[in-house]
Amino acid sequence: QKEVEQDPGPLSVPEGAIVSLNCTYSNSAFQYFMWYRQYSRKGPELLMYTYSSGNKEDGRFTAQVDKSSKYISLFIRDSQPSDSATYLCAMSGYLNFGNEKLTFGTGTRLTIIP
Amino acid sequence: EAQVTQNPRYLITVTGKKLTVTCSQNMNHEYMSWYRQDPGLGLRQIYYSMNVEVTDKGDVPEGYKVSRKEKRNFPLILESPSPNQTSLYFCASSLKGGQHEQYFGPGTRLTVT
Repeated sequence: QKEVEQDPGPLSVPEGAIVSLNCTYSNSAFQYFMWYRQYSRKGPELLMYTYSSGNKEDGRFTAQVDKSSKYISLFIRDSQPSDSATYLCAMSGYLNFGNEKLTFGTGTRLTIIP
Repeated sequence: EAQVTQNPRYLITVTGKKLTVTCSQNMNHEYMSWYRQDPGLGLRQIYYSMNVEVTDKGDVPEGYKVSRKEKRNFPLILESPSPNQTSLYFCASSLKGGQHEQYFGPGTRLTVT
């Protein structure tokens, strides 16, 4: 079983829709939860990160963590064609102790249809 | 502009022919790392470096070597490439080890025939 599971999609939604992207994980030591966005032919870039459980909002993006269910989500409101990309969840244990490497999901390819 | 650069961006080579993929960052980051990205497997760490002359294995180090002689550079060396090393490779850096924000290069697509 993979430590982090993510539905690869592809997911296609019309412009303006609310998008929900999700990951589940098995390692209860994970404390930091991140979402990276990867455009075609580019490297991933950090979109949002949260620590432990709870919600975090940044503009049209909301990250949600439910540690009791080992489940994280990224919501995109009023989706735009420019949101079309692959979204990777990533997780880590206690950071700042050296190589607390990021464990990535496989990514979900999202297309927003104008 | 703060960035991580990789060269080459695309490379087709044959089995057994040694190659080096260069990585350079201009942000004075201590931590650098190499990943490979494969369909269905996601990003997996190959090697990482906490600072100059400090390197260690990640999850999939077999068949790869690295060196960190200067802070800004972290080359990935494939001494005898094999077809199972065909992949998309990313170099990443962060200010220090254990940072949630890693800055990724644009990727190097390697094909080994």
